[in-house]
Amino acid sequence: NAGVTQTPKFQVLKTGQSMTLQCAQDMNHEYMSWYRQDPGMGLRLIHYSVGAGITDQGEVPNGYNVSRSTTEDFPLRLLSAAPSQTSVYFCASSYTGLSGTGELFFGEGSRLTVL
Amino acid sequence: GNSVTQMEGPVTLSEEAFLTINCTYTATGYPSLFWYVQYPGEGLQLLLKATKADDKGSNKGFEATYRKETTSFHLEKGSVQVSDSAVYFCALSVGGGSNYKLTFGKGTLLTVNP
Repeated sequence: NAGVTQTPKFQVLKTGQSMTLQCAQDMNHEYMSWYRQDPGMGLRLIHYSVGAGITDQGEVPNGYNVSRSTTEDFPLRLLSAAPSQTSVYFCASSYTGLSGTGELFFGEGSRLTVL
Repeated sequence: GNSVTQMEGPVTLSEEAFLTINCTYTATGYPSLFWYVQYPGEGLQLLLKATKADDKGSNKGFEATYRKETTSFHLEKGSVQVSDSAVYFCALSVGGGSNYKLTFGKGTLLTVNP
């Protein structure tokens, strides 16, 4: 039961560096999304995708890029890391069929520190 | 727009105490309502849900009733355990099909002492 798998679990970057957070799910979910979690802010949606080849912006998309070339994978790219991007990032997926109710399945998170 | 407001934490209780975490919402349309739980060092996982008014979601001794008239979905448990210590998030989603963006509250940290 792999579910949603995120890598890496921890990462330290210097300001200006780029990196990609990987997310893969094996549940054949059409919907995938990225959230960031910050103290006192709850979870905020960065980007989401409703299927391969389709992506859209969430609440806080600036500084992040995504792509969805396959149903399984949804990587999140930081083009030029900034200290404000220090956060815990969660990938989540969902089934969007007629019987779905919006339940999200989350990965274990990736803790990113930007110095 | 859609929003979720839940009680500020942290909440500290003794084992076997009664728990209530308040959650109210504003939404366009008819939302589904959720409580997610995040144990230390882990991702979020669904605790319970309700998809229409007057539905009661329940799981692991926790309950919440979808109250349309008061736009609320308060989480309750009659007797908490140390293992219930976690962060609890109230959330809603509106629409079906591919429109499954969840709106989360800010979370409530619960600590249960033995």
